[in-house]
Amino acid sequence: DAKTTQPPSMDCAEGRAANLPCNHSTISGNEYVYWYRQIHSQGPQYIIHGLKNNETNEMASLIITEDRKSSTLILPHATLRDTAVYYCIVRALYNFNKFYFGSGTKLNVKP
Amino acid sequence: GAVVSQHPSRVICKSGTSVKIECRSLDFQATTMFWYRQFPKQSLMLMATSNEGSKATYEQGVEKDKFLINHASLTLSTLTVTSAHPEDSSFYICSARDRTASTDTQYFGPGTRLTVL
Repeated sequence: DAKTTQPPSMDCAEGRAANLPCNHSTISGNEYVYWYRQIHSQGPQYIIHGLKNNETNEMASLIITEDRKSSTLILPHATLRDTAVYYCIVRALYNFNKFYFGSGTKLNVKP
Repeated sequence: GAVVSQHPSRVICKSGTSVKIECRSLDFQATTMFWYRQFPKQSLMLMATSNEGSKATYEQGVEKDKFLINHASLTLSTLTVTSAHPEDSSFYICSARDRTASTDTQYFGPGTRLTVL
């Protein structure tokens, strides 16, 4: 699976959009981009995933560049409860379904 | 939907004892479950893949005789830490793949905090 690079931490003001970047320059054509988050001392929570088109759900939007070498997770109106570590994972669909987690980005939402 | 539970949520045991952790998919069937370990301030590390009705496959460097995995049904996988030592103290998290979902997504349990004295 392709390696991902994320900034170790980011700050965001409450109510503003949080834009979390992820680089995956070695991604191959059959690999999806997944985003999970982990609130302190809890299991990871699924947020969104995509292949090459932008995706949106009730939690967030995922913007994938045309060359697919990077992506951005957007939380449109961050709240204090969005403070967590956000993980970007690249995985080939049906590749034994394994997820390998990188170090993630600690998002601090501040009042 | 897509809820995964773990039991116990927290366990403290003496060195040398064995500890069993259960992982259940509550509202879906999971032919495949995964076990992760997470040390403080570190990311999740995949330990093994648990396949219903067959032997688990372990990641490189994970001792299969130390971490026994059983996946006896489509909704239950267990991880037994045998002869636990203080260095086994960690946060253990399971996940399950919803075999009927089109998204091929893993759903994670809340984790089990193991402390070995």
